[in-house]
Amino acid sequence: SQTIHQWPATLVQPVGSPLSLECTVEGTSNPNLYWYRQAAGRGLQLLFYSVGIGQISSEVPQNLSASRPQDRQFILSSKKLLLSDSGFYLCAWSVSRGPTEAFFGQGTRLTVV
Amino acid sequence: AQKVTQAQTEISVVEKEDVTLDCVYETRDTTYYLFWYKQPPSGELVFLIRRNSFDEQNEISGRYSWNFQKSTSSFNFTITASQVVDSAVYFCALSGVFNDYKLSFGAGTTVTVRA
Repeated sequence: SQTIHQWPATLVQPVGSPLSLECTVEGTSNPNLYWYRQAAGRGLQLLFYSVGIGQISSEVPQNLSASRPQDRQFILSSKKLLLSDSGFYLCAWSVSRGPTEAFFGQGTRLTVV
Repeated sequence: AQKVTQAQTEISVVEKEDVTLDCVYETRDTTYYLFWYKQPPSGELVFLIRRNSFDEQNEISGRYSWNFQKSTSSFNFTITASQVVDSAVYFCALSGVFNDYKLSFGAGTTVTVRA
């Protein structure tokens, strides 16, 4: 069966510090991968998605970047965090491009102080 | 453009009451897909259902049921005989070819079931 791992679960970082959140998927090959952000009391905003190694599409301009160094690994990064980067970050995967559901990780709650 | 509207921000019910969550969508796709997710307090989104636009048959799964009405662009979700464990945020989502099948989420409805 497929599983998705996301870490860390919580993170408190000072403004201006770097960020690296990691997500890995097991039990499937060539998944589509996604990073979403959920601000407090808000819906989910798609930040990045990837259909293959090295292929990253950005949905909104921001202080963040994403990379996919391996087929089942997706990393969300920032060189210098802003207060506005605080939120709940969710990684997700889907089987392939097409009308399939996405499956989500446990999420990382990031607080920038 | 794809858009999902969940007009109900919060719903509070007493255990065993039924609760219906509204979802209205907009899309220019002729074929599209609708989803419901549950987000319990732990934070992880749990997939509940996917519905294709060409299949308007309603669906029931245990205490959950979904009413898809293409004529009104709605995909409503009903929890029958609610339980405290149903307390969560529920998201409706939409995907289609025009947004490359990425999920567009509504703002979510927070359901609180009181004992």
